[in-house]
Amino acid sequence: QVQLQESGPGLVKPSETLALSCTVSGGSISSYYWSWIRQSPGKGLEWIGYIYTSGSTNYNPSLQSRVTISVDTSKNQFSLKLSSVTAADTAVYYCARGERGGGTNMVRGVIINYSYYYMDVWGKGTTVTVSS
Amino acid sequence: QTLLIQPPSASGTPGQRVTISCSGSSSNIGRNTVNWYQQLPGTAPKLLIYSKNQRPSGVPDRFSGSKSGTSASLDISGLQSEDEADYYCAGWDDSLNGPVFGGGTKLTVL
Repeated sequence: QVQLQESGPGLVKPSETLALSCTVSGGSISSYYWSWIRQSPGKGLEWIGYIYTSGSTNYNPSLQSRVTISVDTSKNQFSLKLSSVTAADTAVYYCARGERGGGTNMVRGVIINYSYYYMDVWGKGTTVTVSS
Repeated sequence: QTLLIQPPSASGTPGQRVTISCSGSSSNIGRNTVNWYQQLPGTAPKLLIYSKNQRPSGVPDRFSGSKSGTSASLDISGLQSEDEADYYCAGWDDSLNGPVFGGGTKLTVL
């Protein structure tokens, strides 16, 4: 079955760039959405962004100015770069495979479009600490 | 800010039925499908419910999801000790143009 493995430095200095990779094994990286999510200590989950295998990206507006996600289909890998990090970026970073799509519902006689996005395969996560 | 609101904690005894709520708005739950993730202590989140109350292979049918208006619920019947975990609702938000998570609910099995 498909497995994901995050890799990268566990310690990053303030103002520098955090760089992580996620290697996809047991399946193809093609035709899926590949996300990065983080979880600050003792806190909830925060979606960072995703990339489709075509290279199109979508980022959380709160992080958009500092985030770059890229994909290397030849290596079955995708990567995250987060620039100008501060202590607030200390977190466990997860990569995950996503499915996105949509459809229509009939609500009180009106056709309503809906969207879905779920992440069905997750890496184990890697802890990144921002500290000098 | 957190767009999906969950109670921070819930509890139940073995065998009991527990419901965890998730409150959103017309730009997320009100229009789009809801997912639920289970995060056991020290592990990565795991997809529990997706799309229209679908369960991935291996997830017991004790777990079910429902939605009404701008709120969603996760029902766990026949509560077991191994269900003790954090549970997160999530879904697509049209305003954010991306997925959003609830703040999470810590379920304790007494």
